[in-house]
Amino acid sequence: SQQGEEDPQALSIQEGENATMNCSYKTSINNLQWYRQNSGRGLVHLILIRSNEREKHSGRLRVTLDTSKKSSSLLITASRAADTASYFCATRDTGGFKTIFGAGTRLFVKA
Amino acid sequence: EPEVTQTPSHQVTQMGQEVILRCVPISNHLYFYWYRQILGQKVEFLVSFYNNEISEKSEIFDDQFSVERPDGSNFTLKIRSTKLEDSAMYFCASTTSETQYFGPGTRLLVL
Repeated sequence: SQQGEEDPQALSIQEGENATMNCSYKTSINNLQWYRQNSGRGLVHLILIRSNEREKHSGRLRVTLDTSKKSSSLLITASRAADTASYFCATRDTGGFKTIFGAGTRLFVKA
Repeated sequence: EPEVTQTPSHQVTQMGQEVILRCVPISNHLYFYWYRQILGQKVEFLVSFYNNEISEKSEIFDDQFSVERPDGSNFTLKIRSTKLEDSAMYFCASTTSETQYFGPGTRLLVL
């Protein structure tokens, strides 16, 4: 079954450093999305990358997608304490409605 | 900016009771979803809904669950006879194309 799995499971960095999170999945996808979740709160959509795209930027976020390796990475540059949250990748099947979330990376940015 | 809203924010119920979780999707969206997240675990797809019918559902979405769009604005998830393991955060989402917008969630506790 399709699965988005992130690594690392947890990441602790100093403010100002870059944070890189990776995601792998198993089947053909239409797109891959990254979400952020603050503890106990809802999911906030960060960025969507389509299967025919290789890289996308949004502010301090950079996402890459390698469909041959079925993997994606999320880079947050110049991290801030406010970036502390869990980050999830989510994939959507080609021709389907189901969105599959990975287990997430818990990012902790120390001030 | 329009957003998805959910009520109630918290619900405590006794095992075996019926609960109805309510969502108001963004007004021009056509696709609606329910997800759940058991504490500390990944977000799991339950069901998608389009054109007044279920378009896809997961194995979690058994006969105890049902969804309805009773009017032009609300989208509800009913759990007929709650079990302890139904305790989770339930998220509603809506979209008009690719990006799903999530509500803040309903935290359900079954005692």
